Amino acid sequence: SQTIHQWPATLVQPVGSPLSLECTVEGTSNPNLYWYRQAAGRGLQLLFYSVGIGQISSEVPQNLSASRPQDRQFILSSKKLLLSDSGFYLCAWSGPPRAGVVSGSYEQYFGPGTRLTVT
Amino acid sequence: QKEVEQDPGPLSVPEGAIVSLNCTYSNSAFQYFMWYRQYSRKGPELLMYTYSSGNKEDGRFTAQVDKSSKYISLFIRDSQPSDSATYLCAMSPILTGGGNKLTFGTGTQLKVEL
Repeated sequence: SQTIHQWPATLVQPVGSPLSLECTVEGTSNPNLYWYRQAAGRGLQLLFYSVGIGQISSEVPQNLSASRPQDRQFILSSKKLLLSDSGFYLCAWSGPPRAGVVSGSYEQYFGPGTRLTVT
Repeated sequence: QKEVEQDPGPLSVPEGAIVSLNCTYSNSAFQYFMWYRQYSRKGPELLMYTYSSGNKEDGRFTAQVDKSSKYISLFIRDSQPSDSATYLCAMSPILTGGGNKLTFGTGTQLKVEL
């Protein structure tokens, strides 16, 4: 069965410090990977998605970046955190492309999340 | 206007009640519909997944899609305190390339009381 891991679970960082959040998926190959942010009382905001190693699409301009150095590893980074970067960060995966389907499956599966507080 | 509208609640019901959670949407291209359950401080968990119109049942949960009205529902029968969570709807058009970008509602908070 597939499993998705995120770490750390919680993080408190000062403004201006760097950030690195990691996500790994087990039990599948060539997944689509996603980074979301969920602010308190608000919906899920898609930040980045990746359909393959080294392929990153950015949805929202900001001081965050993402990388996919390995097939099942997705990293969210920042060089200098802002107060507005605080939130609940979620990684998700969806299945690899299937025959007759152009790109991936539809349902996404989420990790446990990282709660980031920027002080 | 948001593409997907969902009443934030909170919705409070007694144990054993039938719960109806709903989303409306404006994009007629949406074909795949999902419901997620999110407990406090946890990641969303996929509950139900349906394609196009009709009903789908899984245990105490029934997902209903009415594409003509652009309206989807999740029914929970015999609700339990453990059903207390935020329920998010999500939807997608047919994929034509690239990653699958779901459009989410903002979630409805449900409380099932003893």
